[in-house]
Amino acid sequence: QQPVQSPQAVILREGEDAVINCSSSKALYSVHWYRQKHGEAPVFLMILLKGGEQKGHEKISASFNEKKQQSSLYLTASQLSYSGTYFCGTGSNDYKLSFGAGTTVTVRA
Amino acid sequence: DAMVIQNPRYQVTQFGKPVTLSCSQTLNHNVMYWYQQKSSQAPKLLFHYYDKDFNNEADTPDNFQSRRPNTSFCFLDIRSPGLGDAAMYLCATSALTSGRGETQYFGPGTRLLVL
Repeated sequence: QQPVQSPQAVILREGEDAVINCSSSKALYSVHWYRQKHGEAPVFLMILLKGGEQKGHEKISASFNEKKQQSSLYLTASQLSYSGTYFCGTGSNDYKLSFGAGTTVTVRA
Repeated sequence: DAMVIQNPRYQVTQFGKPVTLSCSQTLNHNVMYWYQQKSSQAPKLLFHYYDKDFNNEADTPDNFQSRRPNTSFCFLDIRSPGLGDAAMYLCATSALTSGRGETQYFGPGTRLLVL
């Protein structure tokens, strides 16, 4: 079952912060975050495994609350290069991912 | 560099004319996936191979077939493309280690146009 992402779209000015949420009705073992630029393939950002961990890469971080079956991606001090569509992919007890519908992030100068 | 390669990057075909898309990987991953992605939508899993075992999604049309002759290569065959099959086709791979939704690495995709 497809996870639900919110918001659908967000517009930021450089330096602003944003949060993207991903929730599932199924028990999750992992959450994967990808960013896709227009016309390109999704690029892996990070994976969060069951255990409520938090990860970060430069100014992009994420958290995973397994009890609530939710994950959030935090964009801090956004840069122009952060523009794109962010997808969460949720993993259960197999090796397939279910992708959310995506959140389009536009960062303006 | 280890990677996932897709050819061609752009494919134009005629309505009803069979087309084959290819994917190769140097990651030596045992799982390969084919996704269809339409504009502004999430990637939709068509099928995947775990080694040589083929797994079809329940809602994948019969018009779509796949072959995996060896670990490195996987093909997507569309037997009679319709206008609704125009999309980006993404190949991805993963190394099955724990079975908990492994990280998938995507190729650059093939954009298919059906005339």
